[in-house]
Amino acid sequence: GAVVSQHPSRVICKSGTSVKIECRSLDFQATTMFWYRQFPKQSLMLMATSNEGSKATYEQGVEKDKFLINHASLTLSTLTVTSAHPEDSSFYICSARDLRGYSEAFFGQGTRLTVV
Amino acid sequence: DAKTTQPPSMDCAEGRAANLPCNHSTISGNEYVYWYRQIHSQGPQYIIHGLKNNETNEMASLIITEDRKSSTLILPHATLRDTAVYYCIVRVDSGGSNYKLTFGKGTLLTVNP
Repeated sequence: GAVVSQHPSRVICKSGTSVKIECRSLDFQATTMFWYRQFPKQSLMLMATSNEGSKATYEQGVEKDKFLINHASLTLSTLTVTSAHPEDSSFYICSARDLRGYSEAFFGQGTRLTVV
Repeated sequence: DAKTTQPPSMDCAEGRAANLPCNHSTISGNEYVYWYRQIHSQGPQYIIHGLKNNETNEMASLIITEDRKSSTLILPHATLRDTAVYYCIVRVDSGGSNYKLTFGKGTLLTVNP
């Protein structure tokens, strides 16, 4: 299957700072990538849909000014958590679907963000 | 997308078949059944998907009832590494930006030695 890589896998940052998470499709092109957030012992919740070359579409209740998404190329999307607070500590996961027509989506390994 | 119901947890002995059920009684005719799993602290992994015919790949088999209101994921010979949360998701395969997956709570499968 196709490979989606996230970086970093773990990050610790201070309150008030910003953190950028990268999501790359390594061996395929993806017009659309998706960003999820997962709190401990809970399921994945979709935050936003990232479209190459256009603005992201955010799910209800997700602050677009706090979670900045950029999808500048067919293989890279970034999520920036701005002015991070301890309650933003979570597991962030991206996924992408191959343009060539595979039906399934592939997921990155996730990024564990801890805000102290 | 149709809602799914899965048992919160199941146990299975190593080497035995693991049969994970999923109810999707409100599934529409053009909705596929997808299965993903998530091993602790990792991203979800695609397992298998199907529309109405049974499917098999190197990881698992998917059995969909004739009325499509339920399905069963079968891991034929479970190993300790199969311990994970298994998610059953139904959705329309419309492609592009409409391809967002809605995850429920899934089933925690614990494979015991």
